[in-house]
Amino acid sequence: DGGITQSPKYLFRKEGQNVTLSCEQNLNHDAMYWYRQDPGQGLRLIYYSQIVNDFQKGDIAEGYSVSREKKESFPLTVTSAQKNPTAFYLCASSLSRQLLFFGSGTQLSVL
Amino acid sequence: KQEVTQIPAALSVPEGENLVLNCSFTDSAIYNLQWFRQDPGKGLTSLLLIQSSQREQTSGRLNASLDKSSGRSTLYIAASQPGDSATYLCAVRPGGGADGLTFGKGTHLIIQP
Repeated sequence: DGGITQSPKYLFRKEGQNVTLSCEQNLNHDAMYWYRQDPGQGLRLIYYSQIVNDFQKGDIAEGYSVSREKKESFPLTVTSAQKNPTAFYLCASSLSRQLLFFGSGTQLSVL
Repeated sequence: KQEVTQIPAALSVPEGENLVLNCSFTDSAIYNLQWFRQDPGKGLTSLLLIQSSQREQTSGRLNASLDKSSGRSTLYIAASQPGDSATYLCAVRPGGGADGLTFGKGTHLIIQP
């Protein structure tokens, strides 16, 4: 089945630790996105990538990093510089700026 | 900076009623607008996409309209059912070279059986 796979579903981060969230798509979409969702809030854009080896900061990029070495993959690293990382992280993809499709999300919590 | 507002924040109606959810945006230079549904603890499911040149889109019991000049969109749900209970979000994609949708905070909808 075509779709977007995010892993893990739940992730725990210790103080000072970097953690990486995985996002893989087999839809042959050109663009991929990372959003953060806090309780009762809308989604906020962290990073997006329109082509391989290129990405752009969104509204809340500080404390996060990404890479886009393959069309299918867009991992997000939450660094120790992100002081409030607890949130629901959503990955999405789209083709030619049309429908946006989402993965099922990763819930990140701090130990 | 684009801002998207959704009204009401929450809505509870009896089953069978028709209802309207509202979305407004501050910058009319959009590429398209998309409505989503989110169930608790899940990702988002796309409902309807309206291009900036279109006035409305329909899918089953759902109808979305767009008035770009006034910065407004509505989602109309006909003959509501308990299974429609979810949070509904609207999002706008910018025109020009930038990308990344801007989302509203959503309307939490409860359909009472």
